Amino acid sequence: DQQVKQNSPSLSVQEGRISILNCDYTNSMFDYFLWYKKYPAEGPTFLISISSIKDKNEDGRFTVFLNKSAKHLSLHIVPSQPGDSAVYFCAASSGTYKYIFGTGTRLKVLA
Amino acid sequence: SAVISQKPSRDICQRGTSLTIQCQVDSQVTMMFWYRQQPGQSLTLIATANQGSEATYESGFVIDKFPISRPNLTFSTLTVSNMSPEDSSIYLCSVEKSGSYNEQFFGPGTRLTVL
Repeated sequence: DQQVKQNSPSLSVQEGRISILNCDYTNSMFDYFLWYKKYPAEGPTFLISISSIKDKNEDGRFTVFLNKSAKHLSLHIVPSQPGDSAVYFCAASSGTYKYIFGTGTRLKVLA
Repeated sequence: SAVISQKPSRDICQRGTSLTIQCQVDSQVTMMFWYRQQPGQSLTLIATANQGSEATYESGFVIDKFPISRPNLTFSTLTVSNMSPEDSSIYLCSVEKSGSYNEQFFGPGTRLTVL
């Protein structure tokens, strides 16, 4: 039972355009959501998070949107840069340290 | 942030043997976590290791297969015992950032291949 789903295994975007990565979840008890970025041969690095009491959180070029009724969150990267090329994982937790991760989306930003 | 190192970074092992993975953090942390990422899969929590107590294992993971040590606040080991090809994965340790709700920092991972 995959509680956190990233249905797009890969995404290609032109440099300077917007990248939108999507994530769906099934457990309504999740109250905190995170995005991690992972480069090859490195561990995931924290990117941005959002609490369930918010519907948007912004940090520079990165914005996470949360739609609780649809159990959907998305990560927007604007403008996309070649250095953003990586695998992006969304994760969810329900008030504990335990994260449930999605399977990741590989983003390729084309120069 | 926390700087986390893992040893070895990768290894190729024979079926039936065991491998111990080390995780070192540059600061004292209460909670350390061990994850597994099988090929094409998401990261899955194996267990939580608190200093001075037994590790807490998630459903599907047992101490006999994945014994964990946590001798102090900066170090932990995970052993993958009696390995089979199904254990081929990336194993990652992570720590919780104190004072930050639910934010975890990950080590670089150990890529294990079992023949």
